[in-house]
Amino acid sequence: QSALTQPASVSGSPGQSITMSCTGSTSDVGGYNYVSWFQHHPGKAPKLMIYEVRNRPSGVPDRFSGSKSGNTASLTISGLQAEDEADYYCSSYTSSSTLEVFGTGTKLTVL
Amino acid sequence: QITLKESGPTLVKPTQTLTLTCTFSGFSLNTGGVGVGWIRQPPGKALEWLALIYWNDDKRYSPSLKSRLTITKDTSKNQVVLTMTNMDPVDTATYYCAHRLNWYGPFDYWGQGTLVTVSS
Repeated sequence: QSALTQPASVSGSPGQSITMSCTGSTSDVGGYNYVSWFQHHPGKAPKLMIYEVRNRPSGVPDRFSGSKSGNTASLTISGLQAEDEADYYCSSYTSSSTLEVFGTGTKLTVL
Repeated sequence: QITLKESGPTLVKPTQTLTLTCTFSGFSLNTGGVGVGWIRQPPGKALEWLALIYWNDDKRYSPSLKSRLTITKDTSKNQVVLTMTNMDPVDTATYYCAHRLNWYGPFDYWGQGTLVTVSS
């Protein structure tokens, strides 16, 4: 089972919007609407930001939004804030026996 | 309120077996659909999914590590245990356990993680 592909890094200035991608296959991202996004600050527990492609858990700001097209899912953060600087990982349910696959991770830098 | 906490040795020697315990509260592994998974992150690297156990004792493992991993649950103690045999320095990582909402995910609550170093 190969990891989902994410860009190594993205950056943006405070107040701007950024979008990061997560590319898989028809066995995972493209085949199911069970894509999640996690925010991970070093030394802390990963935090679920988006589930089922576009749903936000309670407490996650609406600046965070998710979408999907074909085999690629995307996370958009609008109105960037300094506290958004972190690593972001996508994951997806997969039809393989493992049931879950993570992305390679994207480092978001707020300039 | 769902909480999870990992515990185990911080240092193991090469070839030894690692045993990690995830102690949780706020949910039961007797509840249909619920699962607990283990995920690790080597220093400077990405998250890597390791293993998953469901309420019905269905177990799944990372194909690349399957021969070395065993996941079990003790519902009376609210614990999930992961054992990894034949540890190697490349297994040095922070190990997390996480609550899985249902069969399709997501991992919605995570523990703080425990750093395991493999060194002689």
